Formats: sequence, C-alpha cells, structure tokens
Amino acid sequence: EAGVTQSPRYAVLQEGQAVSFWCDPISGHDTLYWYQQPRDQGPQLLVYFRDEAVIDNSQLPSDRFSAVRPKGTNSTLKIQSAKQGDTATYLCASSFGGSNERLFFGHGTKLSVL
Amino acid sequence: GDSVTQTEGLVTVTEGLPVKLNCTYQTTYLTIAFFWYVQYLNEAPQVLLKSSTDNKRTEHQGFHATLHKSSSSFHLQKSSAQLSDSALYYCALSDHTGGNYKPTFGKGTSLVVHP
Repeated sequence: EAGVTQSPRYAVLQEGQAVSFWCDPISGHDTLYWYQQPRDQGPQLLVYFRDEAVIDNSQLPSDRFSAVRPKGTNSTLKIQSAKQGDTATYLCASSFGGSNERLFFGHGTKLSVL
Repeated sequence: GDSVTQTEGLVTVTEGLPVKLNCTYQTTYLTIAFFWYVQYLNEAPQVLLKSSTDNKRTEHQGFHATLHKSSSSFHLQKSSAQLSDSALYYCALSDHTGGNYKPTFGKGTSLVVHP
C-alpha cells in the first residue's frame, strides 16, 4: 500500500514569494489534514477536510494561506506571500474517518523563508 | 479547545534502564482517543500506541501506556530502553464528536538513549 506522498521535499523562498505544497493521501482515506510543525515543536493543525469539504480551517491564516481538495483526493496548500515566521515543516496526513482514527503522515515539506 | 502537555522537552536515559515520558491533557469532549506517535530522524511521524479505554494497558514494541481519565494522563513507559528508541515522541488526542476526527498534538519529547 502506497503511503502519503508530499512534494516538494524542500523549498527555500524569499519573503513575499508564493509557494504551493501538494499531497496525495492513501487511497480510500476520506480525511486529509495539513499540519505546520515549527522547529522543535509538535504538529499544529492548520486545516482538515472530509472528502472535498473543509471541516475546520480556524487555525489557517486566511489572509495568506489557502487549501483545497477539489475532488476529495489530492490536496494543495498554498502560501500567497511567505513570511520568515512561516519557516517550518508542513505535514500532510490522512485517515479513514469512519472507523480508524490514526493518522498516516507524509514525510513533509521543509520550508525555509529567508 | 483540547490541549496536550508533555512536560519534558528532552529525556536522556542509559540503554537498558526504564524510561517514562509524561503526557497530560485537557479536553471538553467525552468521545476521545489517545495516541503516542514516534518520529525517527528524517522520517514521518507514525503511530506507536492507541487507546480509548480508561485504565486499560496498551502495549506495542515494548512500550506501554495506560489511559487514566481520573488524572487526565496517558504516560508512555518502557522497562528497558534501547538505542533504537532514540526519537521524537508525541502524545496526541483525537476528539470525534460529530463523526469528524480532530487530532491535537503535544509539543513532543525527544528521547535520547545512550550506551
């Protein structure tokens, strides 16, 4: 069974630049999560989807961040104008929300904003 | 909202000795599951243990944890630490009120096992 796939693995930006992260969850998993993990901290939930619907995006900085999952499979997280404070690893995870709550994580995208 | 507290940022232990990683939580929901995730260097986090039952010991890969709702705790323990256990450990809870699972993670504890 293929795991959760994320790309790119690394990104380096100047402040003000835009970047997109892509996630392909495990086939059949209806729930998809995006987490931000600053250095030396635990994962912090940004947004999560059930199929194509946003369930909770209350922690997503809506002025610069956006996330979509148009067909209920792959997802894209975009930062419109990056800031140094966005430097972190961005983790995507998926689960089958019906009966199995554990998350399966991708390797993440490590973002550095200079 | 939910919160998970891991008091130690770093735990160091000698190989072969017991180790305990602390985890306490606060939640306003009744329907919850608890997890320990482990993240090895340059790897993605992966689940180590899961529990939803009060006062029931859960074991996997030599680690064990018991959920104690009376003290809001889910500490992780191992009787004999191995060098290969060196990793980041995250305690997490997931409330699934309304059928949607929303996991919340602690800040993590780095475990270093030395010879």
